Amino acid sequence: EPEVTQTPSHQVTQMGQEVILRCVPISNHLYFYWYRQILGQKVEFLVSFYNNEISEKSEIFDDQFSVERPDGSNFTLKIRSTKLEDSAMYFCASSGGLVTDTQYFGPGTRLTVL
Amino acid sequence: AQKVTQAQTEISVVEKEDVTLDCVYETRDTTYYLFWYKQPPSGELVFLIRRNSFDEQNEISGRYSWNFQKSTSSFNFTITASQVVDSAVYFCALSEGMDSSYKLIFGSGTRLLVRP
Repeated sequence: EPEVTQTPSHQVTQMGQEVILRCVPISNHLYFYWYRQILGQKVEFLVSFYNNEISEKSEIFDDQFSVERPDGSNFTLKIRSTKLEDSAMYFCASSGGLVTDTQYFGPGTRLTVL
Repeated sequence: AQKVTQAQTEISVVEKEDVTLDCVYETRDTTYYLFWYKQPPSGELVFLIRRNSFDEQNEISGRYSWNFQKSTSSFNFTITASQVVDSAVYFCALSEGMDSSYKLIFGSGTRLLVRP
C-alpha cells in the first residue's frame, strides 16, 4: 500500500540554524500539505502546495519558512533560522487527483531546537 | 470561522466497554468534509473515516461507528467493545477550502486510555 514517507524521523538543531525536512508523497498525488504539532497540542495547518506553487498558508508560515518540490518525488519544508518555538512534530500529507480527496499523512519529523 | 471542538480531553475505560468520542464543528460553508484520525503512541496520524456534508448516513466499520448529525453539527465516534490497542489520541477534523487547497482544521483531540 502506498504511503507518505518523511526523513529524518528526528532532527536536533541549534537555534538559528537552517533545517530542511523532507517528504515523499504518494506517487500519483497532486496536493501537498505541511502541518505541525507542538507537543501535546492540536495539529495545525502550515501550508498547501499544488502545481508547483503555494495554494494557501497560515499565519504561522512566515518568511522563515519555505516549501519546494525540487523534483517529481520530494516535497521539502525549509526553516531558515530556527527558533526554540519551532520545536514540534512536522507532518507532511498528500491527497490525490481532486483537491477534496482524503489527505494521508507521513509518520512525521520531530524537530528539536536547542 | 471554522472550528472543531472536542470537549473530552481524556477518557479512561476498561477493556470491552463501549466509548463515544464527541466532536462538534462550526462552518459557514454548505460543502465540507469531516474526518477522524487516530494518533497512537508511536505518533503517526492514521486516517479512519471521511464524511461529506451532504451524506448524513451513519457508518459502521467493525467495532467502529460514526454518527453524523448536521442539525447539531456533530460527528461522534463510537468504539464498541474497546481494546487496549484502541488507546490513542483521536482527532476530529473539518476540511473546507478553495480550488487548490482543502486544509484540515483539527480539534484538540481526545486521549483514550483503555485499561485491561
